[in-house]
Amino acid sequence: DQQVKQNSPSLSVQEGRISILNCDYTNSMFDYFLWYKKYPAEGPTFLISISSIKDKNEDGRFTVFLNKSAKHLSLHIVPSQPGDSAVYFCAASPSGGGADGLTFGKGTHLIIQP
Amino acid sequence: EAGVVQSPRYKIIEKKQPVAFWCNPISGHNTLYWYRQNLGQGPELLIRYENEEAVDDSQLPKDRFSAERLKGVDSTLKIQPAELGDSAVYLCASSAYNEQFFGPGTRLTVL
Repeated sequence: DQQVKQNSPSLSVQEGRISILNCDYTNSMFDYFLWYKKYPAEGPTFLISISSIKDKNEDGRFTVFLNKSAKHLSLHIVPSQPGDSAVYFCAASPSGGGADGLTFGKGTHLIIQP
Repeated sequence: EAGVVQSPRYKIIEKKQPVAFWCNPISGHNTLYWYRQNLGQGPELLIRYENEEAVDDSQLPKDRFSAERLKGVDSTLKIQPAELGDSAVYLCASSAYNEQFFGPGTRLTVL
């Protein structure tokens, strides 16, 4: 059973528009959530994170929203740029922060079209 | 600052052969992780080290997989013997606090 779910395998967005990537989780013990970005033949790169005590965290063009009651988080990228084309992974960690092993979703392939 | 280093980047072996992967974490990072990523999936944790101690190896298939981090710095992951289903990318990561930094991975193909 998948504890972290990314139900959209791919997403196509026009350059300059907003990209919204979604993630759902089932384990109530998850306390810390992260988004990673991955280019082909490279390891995942940390993008942004959020603790369960917050409902929003913003870093430049990237904002992560957390809805604990719905066990749902989303990543907003605005405006979307060609270099944002990559696979985005949602990951979660139990209490103790991201230093514990992470549970990842399957990823969403974001394609930014010119 | 140098990132997480892994070698080799690619490895092709025949089934039943042994294989080993090496990882050097970011300097000063006490926590080291090995993940396996199958095609079309997210990474899955195999083992986590705090210094030289394996604190979480519950997902490591111990019949054929082994890992070590003898001096609390670099680490080796071994598979013996390899099976066809072991074909995957093996990722190493390290962390000092909350954020995990990943290496480029080793792509293993078992024929």
